[in-house]
Amino acid sequence: KQEVTQIPAALSVPEGENLVLNCSFTDSAIYNLQWFRQDPGKGLTSLLLIQSSQREQTSGRLNASLDKSSGRSTLYIAASQPGDSATYLCAVGGDNQGGKLIFGQGTELSVKP
Amino acid sequence: ETGVTQTPRHLVMGMTNKKSLKCEQHLGHNAMYWYKQSAKKPLELMFVYNFKEQTENNSVPSRFSPECPNSSHLFLHLHTLQPEDSALYLCASSQVGAGTYTDTQYFGPGTRLTVL
Repeated sequence: KQEVTQIPAALSVPEGENLVLNCSFTDSAIYNLQWFRQDPGKGLTSLLLIQSSQREQTSGRLNASLDKSSGRSTLYIAASQPGDSATYLCAVGGDNQGGKLIFGQGTELSVKP
Repeated sequence: ETGVTQTPRHLVMGMTNKKSLKCEQHLGHNAMYWYKQSAKKPLELMFVYNFKEQTENNSVPSRFSPECPNSSHLFLHLHTLQPEDSALYLCASSQVGAGTYTDTQYFGPGTRLTVL
């Protein structure tokens, strides 16, 4: 059974810092891995999608990497801003899951001005 | 309207009530999903519909009844719920091809449900 873990559960940094969020998964047989952002009381916004054949994806100040063999992904945020404050969720799509995404519990990020 | 919309945004109901949640996607996708997000728990998939056919029921109690009349609309009918069913219910959609689910899922804003 696939399990997804995100560390740390919460993170507070001053504005301008570069930071890394971690995601690990137990079963390496995955279709893809996605990083989402969720603002309080809101739905999820997709940030980056990495297919199982890819090693990384970049969008603006965000870079996500995937190491299937070790069951790990990282989300790197450069030059953090207060507007980046949100909960970041990692989700894994398995090749035998029929559309099912397995989510981690998220990392709650606070960027202080 | 663009993206994925959900109504109502907030719902308070008693344990004997019957209510329905509505989701509509304006993205031309062919797969739709219901998720439950409870406090301090990861998102849990409830149902998957692919081309209007239910392809996944993640052991959801029968007091939750989904309906997908077409590929753009998804409903979740609720009856005799329990207080522990209080949560944020999220709808999502994606494009599915050749039996694979490799594309991004797009989420609606959710319905905050409180069961008294």
